[in-house]
Amino acid sequence: QVQLQESGPGLVKPSQTLSLMCTVSGGSISSSGYYWSWIRQHPGKGLEWIGYIHYTGSTHYNPALKSRVTISVDTSKNQFSLKLTSVTAADTAVYHCARDYFDGNSGLRYFDYWGQGTLVTVSS
Amino acid sequence: DIVMTQSPDSLAVSLGERATINCKSSQSVLYNSNNKNYLAWYQQKPGQPPKLLIYWASTRKSGVPDRFIGGGSGTDFTLTISSLQAEDVAVYYCQQYNLTPLTFGQGTKLEIK
Repeated sequence: QVQLQESGPGLVKPSQTLSLMCTVSGGSISSSGYYWSWIRQHPGKGLEWIGYIHYTGSTHYNPALKSRVTISVDTSKNQFSLKLTSVTAADTAVYHCARDYFDGNSGLRYFDYWGQGTLVTVSS
Repeated sequence: DIVMTQSPDSLAVSLGERATINCKSSQSVLYNSNNKNYLAWYQQKPGQPPKLLIYWASTRKSGVPDRFIGGGSGTDFTLTISSLQAEDVAVYYCQQYNLTPLTFGQGTKLEIK
């Protein structure tokens, strides 16, 4: 059973950088057919896809956040991470990491495993 | 971006009755070359991450009860729960995977009447 666990500071000051790690267990982050995504959920609101990374290091970001986001992967530790710069109160949200299944032939993709999520509050 | 709009925002249905949630995309998510709709449905219970229910707009993920029925095509989709059970209380999201950025509806909160 694949499990994902987010970790990182729960409080970040405005203008600083939000940094989160996702540790994958029960499966290899280098498995083919999968990407690894970050998705956030503002309090009481819907879901916003931030971006994904492939174990090869290939990334794709949401244009709305692209200028501030970096997702990286460490295959030796089975982890991937999120950095979001210049945060404001609008970045306060629960941040989830998720496994992103993708079939390149059909285009089918879905998030099949998620972390529980970690609340990050941006406040001075 | 493809904007996904769900209706209603909240819904209260009696146990055993039918619940229907609507999802509309700002542009078609039907891919003509394979005649498939690039749409998924997720269920999120309180304190839990979302769980995949349906993909290709109508294909249930293995293990999902058959009371969950996805339908629609192009820009208009529905998720129907044919006979509401107490454990179905949750927020439901539609999501398109036709184009990046991947986008979700705002969610529909389903409660027991």
